Amino acid sequence: GENVEQHPSTLSVQEGDSAVIKCTYSDSASNYFPWYKQELGKRPQLIIDIRSNVGEKKDQRIAVTLNKTAKHFSLHITETQPEDSAVYFCAASKGHDMRFGAGTRLTVKP
Amino acid sequence: DAGVIQSPRHEVTEMGQEVTLRCKPISGHDYLFWYRQTMMRGLELLIYFNNNVPIDDSGMPEDRFSAKMPNASFSTLKIQPSEPRDSAVYFCASRPGLAVVNEQFFGPGTRLTVL
Repeated sequence: GENVEQHPSTLSVQEGDSAVIKCTYSDSASNYFPWYKQELGKRPQLIIDIRSNVGEKKDQRIAVTLNKTAKHFSLHITETQPEDSAVYFCAASKGHDMRFGAGTRLTVKP
Repeated sequence: DAGVIQSPRHEVTEMGQEVTLRCKPISGHDYLFWYRQTMMRGLELLIYFNNNVPIDDSGMPEDRFSAKMPNASFSTLKIQPSEPRDSAVYFCASRPGLAVVNEQFFGPGTRLTVL
């Protein structure tokens, strides 16, 4: 089955700096890669996703890149703000189920 | 739509007791997923349903866990008997059946504590 690895497990940045979170997946058939943000005590919520036929996608301060050959994808957050502090999960899916990475706890220091 | 609804939001029980978690998916969504979240293991997929039929239950940890979906608007996850290591947040999620829409919508979760 699919195995998703995520790094780093914790990340601390200064407000205004960029943050990068990386994930690798094992199943080359996976074709959908979402990123979820989970604030403390809240549910995971989708912030951006990318499909395997696209190499990069951007939405304001967040972007995701996908390298199908290497089977890795990354989340980039620019101009970080304190409200970006949360746990971020990557996931990979080739159909109807989804496998999540272990999560990255991002702390943005004001 | 109110989104995915889960109940109860918090459950505290004693070891050996039966626990039933409930989920109401978003109306019209054909897929329903149950996840368990712990610090040690992260978000784990337990089981998912398509049109009320269980498709993959390989993530269900033990026979003590069972899940049902008697109709399109209701699902239960039952643990009998419960153990302290079952303490976790249990999320239910749903998504439409359309292949072009992969996003899963999560419920607020049920925080289970087994003493």
